[in-house]
Amino acid sequence: ETGVTQTPRHLVMGMTNKKSLKCEQHLGHNAMYWYKQSAKKPLELMFVYNFKEQTENNSVPSRFSPECPNSSHLFLHLHTLQPEDSALYLCASSLSTATGNGYTFGSGTRLTVV
Amino acid sequence: ILNVEQSPQSLHVQEGDSTNFTCSFPSSNFYALHWYRWETAKSPEALFVMTLNGDEKKKGRISATLNTKEGYSYLYIKGSQPEDSATYLCALNSGGYQKVTFGTGTKLQVIP
Repeated sequence: ETGVTQTPRHLVMGMTNKKSLKCEQHLGHNAMYWYKQSAKKPLELMFVYNFKEQTENNSVPSRFSPECPNSSHLFLHLHTLQPEDSALYLCASSLSTATGNGYTFGSGTRLTVV
Repeated sequence: ILNVEQSPQSLHVQEGDSTNFTCSFPSSNFYALHWYRWETAKSPEALFVMTLNGDEKKKGRISATLNTKEGYSYLYIKGSQPEDSATYLCALNSGGYQKVTFGTGTKLQVIP
């Protein structure tokens, strides 16, 4: 257990469903991130929150909607996804967004869109 | 888009062998280089954050070196054990959180 908890671990959803991924950390970190990993591709940054403020939306389609109600919790709301959105979604946190800080990752949510 | 390349993509070694693999990156706009170990069904685990040219870091049997002028970092594992089996990721930070680029990883399998 790294201190970053993601739920659910696995999710299968239809293209018309609405679901949410949850990420939680109690490490005292102020920055939280959503990453996507598709097969055979490197991790892709989706969203960044620093002190609960969204500081980066890396050209992510609007069918993905992040929410950060406080420094410890991060959500990714999903609606009308496409099969190509099937991937592993990883949450990470760091002390801040400063350069020298490494990330603490969660175990990810394996999403399958049918 | 920066290109962070890791080689080899995968390798198998016998238990007890030492091994190493490479992360190559553009040497311009270097801020930091991160190494992570990612075991199957677990979270990527931070190994090292390296910032200075010539840096060498060590954690148990794993060590890493950094050459920012020529744009590469080596990760070494001495006396590989089955529990070292994982994918090893490097990530280049070229200036802040929005400029972190991950490689595709080197998948290591240690055969008992």
